[in-house]
Amino acid sequence: DAGITQSPRHKVTETGTPVTLRCHQTENHRYMYWYRQDPGHGLRLIHYSYGVKDTDKGEVSDGYSVSRSKTEDFLLTLESATSSQTSVYFCAISYSGDYNEQFFGPGTRLTVL
Amino acid sequence: RKEVEQDPGPFNVPEGATVAFNCTYSNSASQSFFWYRQDCRKEPKLLMSVYSSGNEDGRFTAQLNRASQYISLLIRDSKLSDSATYLCVVNGGTALIFGKGTTLSVSS
Repeated sequence: DAGITQSPRHKVTETGTPVTLRCHQTENHRYMYWYRQDPGHGLRLIHYSYGVKDTDKGEVSDGYSVSRSKTEDFLLTLESATSSQTSVYFCAISYSGDYNEQFFGPGTRLTVL
Repeated sequence: RKEVEQDPGPFNVPEGATVAFNCTYSNSASQSFFWYRQDCRKEPKLLMSVYSSGNEDGRFTAQLNRASQYISLLIRDSKLSDSATYLCVVNGGTALIFGKGTTLSVSS
């Protein structure tokens, strides 16, 4: 158990509203990631963080922003939610970054109406 | 460009069967390779890392062929509890690149 929680676990929202998803880890890992998973696609990286206030974009970052003000929390914000952002969002941590396995949180199921 | 390709299946096998999954990857610079397991509506969980020399963990054997850019997973003596989607994962840098997964259904 990598000590990762995500909140909320389920959310239904309306198009155009801002949404923030939270990932919390208890083991002080430096690297944290946000992925989305959609039918017909593998998991795709949205953003990642390699330390407090250090973040970078992934493959599908448009429409998303992130913040990491504390080691334990990595926030994903949908600035103005769209129906195409309906997805399952997974947070992950890595013990040491590049080339190492990642461990996933339980996911947040987001529906944008 | 399909970076990690897997046969989506489904593979339907009886208990006790041996089943093999294959995966190809496009980035020859990739350094790390993994198999993850994902149950329905759950998060992916690391099944095993894949090493150049091949590695085994109980009923599971993983092989890597760097020259052919090919990874395999062999499951022996399948159990009902092995029913899941198996994700081939390649790491060429910061990001993990996931295949779409191969679905396995083991029946009694």
